[in-house]
Amino acid sequence: ILNVEQSPQSLHVQEGDSTNFTCSFPSSNFYALHWYRWETAKSPEALFVMTLNGDEKKKGRISATLNTKEGYSYLYIKGSQPEDSATYLCAYHSGGGADGLTFGKGTHLIIQP
Amino acid sequence: NAGVTQTPKFQVLKTGQSMTLQCAQDMNHEYMSWYRQDPGMGLRLIHYSVGAGITDQGEVPNGYNVSRSTTEDFPLRLLSAAPSQTSVYFCASSYGTGEYNEQFFGPGTRLTVL
Repeated sequence: ILNVEQSPQSLHVQEGDSTNFTCSFPSSNFYALHWYRWETAKSPEALFVMTLNGDEKKKGRISATLNTKEGYSYLYIKGSQPEDSATYLCAYHSGGGADGLTFGKGTHLIIQP
Repeated sequence: NAGVTQTPKFQVLKTGQSMTLQCAQDMNHEYMSWYRQDPGMGLRLIHYSVGAGITDQGEVPNGYNVSRSTTEDFPLRLLSAAPSQTSVYFCASSYGTGEYNEQFFGPGTRLTVL
């Protein structure tokens, strides 16, 4: 069983503040790292899929970085808005693409107006 | 496109009953997966398929069977339901590997086993 850890488990942030959280994963046999956003009563939706060490991806106010050598990825949200409230999941893909994804337990983000 | 569809949305079973959760996608995706979501556990992979006729076990396969006879469909069978299988089940599909492996999730099936 692969160990994918996310921290913190939950986070309260004031509207307008910026925040970030971490995903740690095994640095060996790396293939890809995914980030998903999961709103209550909906299904997870993909934010980023990153494959290369040093990758940085951005979508609006949300960005992510990847360090495959040390096995971590950061997700950043700039100027948090109430609609950013959700659980953010990362998922690790190993085995050259032949294996399934292993998800972390998520960071539950609450933006307070 | 309907994307990924799952039926039923809700189901209540008695211990020992069997049933099939249906999953279909109309995006011509090669990869399909089944996950279960339990409080405090996150999404855990049950079974997955990298193409028609090919399936493999994930982290928690016991008590479940799958088959992939077509690209579109990936049903999940519960052979003899147990209360421990009470969960929300998500089916997902993706186009390919690497940067094309973005998962598209279905709406989920909430299963209760009494």
